[in-house]
Amino acid sequence: SAVISQKPSRDICQRGTSLTIQCQVDSQVTMMFWYRQQPGQSLTLIATANQGSEATYESGFVIDKFPISRPNLTFSTLTVSNMSPEDSSIYLCSVEEVPRTEAFFGQGTRLTVV
Amino acid sequence: AQSVTQLGSHVSVSEGALVLLRCNYSSSVPPYLFWYVQYPNQGLQLLLKYTSAATLVKGINGFEAEFKKSETSFHLTKPSAHMSDAAEYFCAVSDQGTGRRALTFGSGTRLQVQP
Repeated sequence: SAVISQKPSRDICQRGTSLTIQCQVDSQVTMMFWYRQQPGQSLTLIATANQGSEATYESGFVIDKFPISRPNLTFSTLTVSNMSPEDSSIYLCSVEEVPRTEAFFGQGTRLTVV
Repeated sequence: AQSVTQLGSHVSVSEGALVLLRCNYSSSVPPYLFWYVQYPNQGLQLLLKYTSAATLVKGINGFEAEFKKSETSFHLTKPSAHMSDAAEYFCAVSDQGTGRRALTFGSGTRLQVQP
């Protein structure tokens, strides 16, 4: 199974600032996704990170707020921009390698905005 | 659009008792179904998956789930609960037929195990 390293594991940030979260996988993977888990809630897909092209965002998420990069098949970043307390969540990176039909998750980044 | 409904946000069982966590799905095409477990301050770990093979799926830690198409259900069971099973459990669906490989999650069920 793929091993995913997410950094940072947690952070406390001031409102109005931005935080970039890194996701590094130990093998090349086809699909990479970013999810958000708000306090006490389930996981919601933010976007699919596409290698070499713009990410595909879900309804309610926009590139200006959550810019995503994926320069190669093992690495992606998610930036949470102009943060507000409502952005306080756990952000999780997930990967799936076609044709395997299971997704692996990083440990998550616990973000608190004050 | 696909969706997942988990009945019961909290389930409490005694150690040694049967664990039953309910999951119903909605999908326009045959789905792939998953159960994940999340321990406090950790990421998600796959318990088991259904991908159109055997309808009774066995997973890790003694868990199993049965895919019932007629009931659109994929309930998770374990014959005898252990204290270490206390965690949050998520049912998820992936609509492989449309090419969408991202997961749609249920709202989660927090399992408490009483001594």
